[in-house]
Amino acid sequence: QKEVEQNSGPLSVPEGAIASLNCTYSDRGSQSFFWYRQYSGKSPELIMSIYSNGDKEDGRFTAQLNKASQYVSLLIRDSQPSDSATYLCAPHNTNAGKSTFGDGTTLTVKP
Amino acid sequence: DAGVTQSPTHLIKTRGQQVTLRCSPKSGHDTVSWYQQALGQGPQFIFQYYEEEERQRGNFPDRFSGHQFPNYSSELNVNALLLGDSALYLCASTPSGQGIRMGGYTFGSGTRLTVV
Repeated sequence: QKEVEQNSGPLSVPEGAIASLNCTYSDRGSQSFFWYRQYSGKSPELIMSIYSNGDKEDGRFTAQLNKASQYVSLLIRDSQPSDSATYLCAPHNTNAGKSTFGDGTTLTVKP
Repeated sequence: DAGVTQSPTHLIKTRGQQVTLRCSPKSGHDTVSWYQQALGQGPQFIFQYYEEEERQRGNFPDRFSGHQFPNYSSELNVNALLLGDSALYLCASTPSGQGIRMGGYTFGSGTRLTVV
């Protein structure tokens, strides 16, 4: 079993819809959580961070964290074609000082 | 403000050869982590350098080695290349101290290595 599991894609949503991306992790040493966006052929770009249980909103993005359930999610509201990319979940072990990445969920937003 | 720079962008090598990849961290960052990303997979942690020393290492063989220089730039060396080493190699930088603990990387554009 992988340390970080993301919902299998690809995920396709119509423009303007809400895209929901899920992630579970096994390392209880993870205390910081990140979402990266990776366009095809490009490198990952940090788009969201969350450190405490609950919700964190930043524009059209909302990250949700439940440490007890070892679950983190990313909601994208009013999805745009430009949101079409692979989204990587990355829990960060604060003692080890390193992030472990999931394999990503590929999102396609159709006009 | 310069971000993370990596060189070269693309590289083709033959099995058994050796390769060196280079990375300059973002201004103000002194910790460099290297990741390998195979096609269709997430980045896999190779190792991390801080204060010119390897601080953490992932599950990679000794063929993978690195170095960090006093100006915080870093090199990744891979010896005896295998076909399976073909991947995108990513350099990520963070500020030290709280940055290492809390995470959140700035990635370079990567080096695409193809082993034939």
